[in-house]
Amino acid sequence: EAGVTQSPTHLIKTRGQQATLRCSPISGHTSVYWYQQALGLGLQFLLWYDEGEERNRGNFPPRFSGRQFPNYSSELNVNALELEDSALYLCASSLGSFGHEQYFGPGTRLTVT
Amino acid sequence: QQQVKQSPQSLIVQKGGISIINCAYENTAFDYFPWYQQFPGKGPALLIAIRPDVSEKKEGRFTISFNKSAKQFSLHIMDSQPGDSATYFCAASKSTSGTYKYIFGTGTRLKVLA
Repeated sequence: EAGVTQSPTHLIKTRGQQATLRCSPISGHTSVYWYQQALGLGLQFLLWYDEGEERNRGNFPPRFSGRQFPNYSSELNVNALELEDSALYLCASSLGSFGHEQYFGPGTRLTVT
Repeated sequence: QQQVKQSPQSLIVQKGGISIINCAYENTAFDYFPWYQQFPGKGPALLIAIRPDVSEKKEGRFTISFNKSAKQFSLHIMDSQPGDSATYFCAASKSTSGTYKYIFGTGTRLKVLA
C-alpha cells in the first residue's frame, strides 16, 4: 500500500513569492493534516482538512492557506513568503476525523531566500 | 495548557542499553499519546501509541509507560541498537473533541553508540 506522498521534495523561493505544496493521502484516508517543522524545532500544527472542509487551523497567519480536493488530496499555499517560512512541511493523513492514527509523508523542504 | 514538554533534548546510549524519553502534558482532556520516530530527511513514522485507560503498552523493544495522575508518559527502548539512532517525538491529542490535532513535544535526538 502506498504511503502519503508529497511534492515537490524541495522548493526554493524568493521572499514575497508564493509557494504551493501538494499532498496525496493514503488510499481510503479522508483527513489530511499539515505541519511545519522548522530547523531544530518540533512539529507545529498548521491545518486540518476532512471531507473537503477546513476543520481546524493552528496559530499561523492567514497567508498560510490550503484546500482539500474531492479525491482527498490537498494543497498548502503560502503567500508573501518570509525568510522564517523556511522549513520542512509535513503532510499526514488518517482514516477519519476522530481517534485515528496519523501517518506522515516525507515532507517538502521549502527554502526562502 | 496546550503544551507537551519533552526531555531530554538529546540522549547518548551505549548499544544494548535502555533509552528513556519523558513527556509531560497539562491538558487533562488529552486522551491519545503517540510516539513518532524520525530519521534525517524522512517524515515521522508512528512507533507506538497509548490511551489513558492503560498504564503500559509494549511492542517489541518499545514500551510506553503512562502515569495519568502525574500527567506524564515515557518511552523506553530496551536493548537499544545503533539503528535506533533518530529523533523521537511524543505527542498528545483530544481524539473525540472535534478539534482533533496533535500537539508535539520538541523532540529528543537519540544516538546509540556501537
